[in-house]
Amino acid sequence: GAGVSQSPSNKVTEKGKDVELRCDPISGHTALYWYRQSLGQGLEFLIYFQGNSAPDKSGLPSDRFSAERTGGSVSTLTIQRTQQEDSAVYLCASSLAGRDNEQFFGPGTRLTVL
Amino acid sequence: EDQVTQSPEALRLQEGESSSLNCSYTVSGLRGLFWYRQDPGKGPEFLFTLYSAGEEKEKERLKATLTKKESFLHITAPKPEDSATYLCAVQGGSNYQLIWGAGTKLIIKP
Repeated sequence: GAGVSQSPSNKVTEKGKDVELRCDPISGHTALYWYRQSLGQGLEFLIYFQGNSAPDKSGLPSDRFSAERTGGSVSTLTIQRTQQEDSAVYLCASSLAGRDNEQFFGPGTRLTVL
Repeated sequence: EDQVTQSPEALRLQEGESSSLNCSYTVSGLRGLFWYRQDPGKGPEFLFTLYSAGEEKEKERLKATLTKKESFLHITAPKPEDSATYLCAVQGGSNYQLIWGAGTKLIIKP
């Protein structure tokens, strides 16, 4: 596709349920990032994938959060047993290898946990 | 600790009224400072990368400048379509991660 796509665009769930957020990066971009954006705060780094290397999971806030990237392309961010504080916009970005300064972002998934 | 602070949080200008947004940073070994634009309901869009103090970049009505402690995003004769949130981020040391500011919400009134 022409850009990074994310689905769903909006997700409303109940506390305690699991959710899966999907990211489809730009074709040919080997680097993929997940961020969380809360109102009035800067983007919070969650996880980074680069090619076939082990992902950098240092930003994941708890063990309820996990992410996979299959075949070096599509990525899924999973949040288990969601809490109200998980409510935020989850952004995915991709870039060419070594070009982490110029990241291309998707439109995000707005997650609301009731 | 690496840190980025943007000011003001919000800025309202009349169309044609020039101004500047500030990004103050603390980082060990700056590798780059980046400006992004974010429209409501969309992800950030890359604008500029600055690498060293004294460097300047321009794009249409925007000009970004960099010193050893801060960056300014100057907007000249803005138009309503320049309304957006402008985000600043830095990359330091050997870390590929970007440290992001909270952004400045710019509103240009016609």
